[in-house]
Amino acid sequence: NAGVTQTPKFQVLKTGQSMTLQCAQDMNHEYMSWYRQDPGMGLRLIHYSVGAGITDQGEVPNGYNVSRSTTEDFPLRLLSAAPSQTSVYFCASSYLSGNYNEQYFGPGTRLTVT
Amino acid sequence: DAKTTQPPSMDCAEGRAANLPCNHSTISGNEYVYWYRQIHSQGPQYIIHGLKNNETNEMASLIITEDRKSSTLILPHATLRDTAVYYCIVRSTSGTYKYIFGTGTRLKVLA
Repeated sequence: NAGVTQTPKFQVLKTGQSMTLQCAQDMNHEYMSWYRQDPGMGLRLIHYSVGAGITDQGEVPNGYNVSRSTTEDFPLRLLSAAPSQTSVYFCASSYLSGNYNEQYFGPGTRLTVT
Repeated sequence: DAKTTQPPSMDCAEGRAANLPCNHSTISGNEYVYWYRQIHSQGPQYIIHGLKNNETNEMASLIITEDRKSSTLILPHATLRDTAVYYCIVRSTSGTYKYIFGTGTRLKVLA
């Protein structure tokens, strides 16, 4: 199993550009989520999904869109990049319910917006 | 969703037990307590979780108070590699299923 994969690892954008951060998992997890982590801060939940076709907002959803057309993939779209979106973005997945549903995290995408 | 409160930082001598506290006074009956850690800028790593009983695995022990309003993560013999930020999270097994991370405790293990 590859686990949770994220691409790209690094990205530099100019203000106003748009892009999609990719996230994929091969563990058949229902739950997937996106976090951002600013320097010296904790992780903040952007969006999450409890299954294909179902997404919901987290703590800081503004400026980001998501969709979940398959169980495996959960892309995050930045609509019009702003310097305030400079951050490290982590994708994670887990089983939805039951007693054992730890989250598995990807390696992160480091985004700089100039 | 229940919120958690953790001290911002702690130090621990190498080889000694590290006891990391977490307050979750508004936890509800169907919410589990999870602990994760983040080393440098890597993705967080699962450590342990529990509902109301104490739990132990190869990494750590989790002690949950009887009223479930607080818990303590215990690293029995801390090493320099345990230096990390430790996050305590409460997560429901129904409803929204959201994982909300707080600011965590920055543990520094001293040689």
